[in-house]
Amino acid sequence: VVLTQSPGTLSLSPGERATLSCRASQPVSNYLTWYQQKPGQAPRLLIYDTSKRASGVPPRFSGSGSGTDFTLTISSLEPEDVAIYYCQQRSGWLIFGGGTKVEI
Amino acid sequence: QVHLVQSGPEVKKPGASVKVSCTASGYTFTDNQMHWVRQAPGQGLDWMGRITPDTGGTSAAKKFEGRITMTRDTSINKAYMELKWLTSDDTAVYYCARAHWFGELSLDFWGQGTLVTVSS
Repeated sequence: VVLTQSPGTLSLSPGERATLSCRASQPVSNYLTWYQQKPGQAPRLLIYDTSKRASGVPPRFSGSGSGTDFTLTISSLEPEDVAIYYCQQRSGWLIFGGGTKVEI
Repeated sequence: QVHLVQSGPEVKKPGASVKVSCTASGYTFTDNQMHWVRQAPGQGLDWMGRITPDTGGTSAAKKFEGRITMTRDTSINKAYMELKWLTSDDTAVYYCARAHWFGELSLDFWGQGTLVTVSS
């Protein structure tokens, strides 16, 4: 199973809506996890079980999807959202997508 | 609060081994799997394997089988990852991360990372 994230890089202005895609090569689970990795930091859990925000995650972040197509949406981009976002599923082992870099 | 603190940076020669430690605090160490994930410079996340601290059982990604050993010491809440026969391709930041089963498994807390540099 391969997780393909698109776009590779997303360049937006503050306040704009960001839509990040994660597509699985075959259905694995209706659950997907998203992580946020800011420059020079370890990844941080952002969204689990497709749509549930982890503790402390602002409500501008939301997740959706099922089957093979999943989406992370940032409703109104803030400067502190500059990061690489990774999706992840489990198929016996853990699989990560290649990441989407969000720039301002 | 949950904390995972990893050992410091390492510089190794090709063919050598490296052992990275991860000290857990703020929760019952044996309640959660510990996973190891690495990230080569400028690259994405690469799952290496996991250990179940309660039993010591391990599972590794095929690409690391035979080269990786994951152990734990429950008396001091430490997990270890040893990687043998290092090459320059193993230069990366290595992370430990705690697994949590929500509806599905996610990595909810991460160590700060350990940079391993392999160079002659």
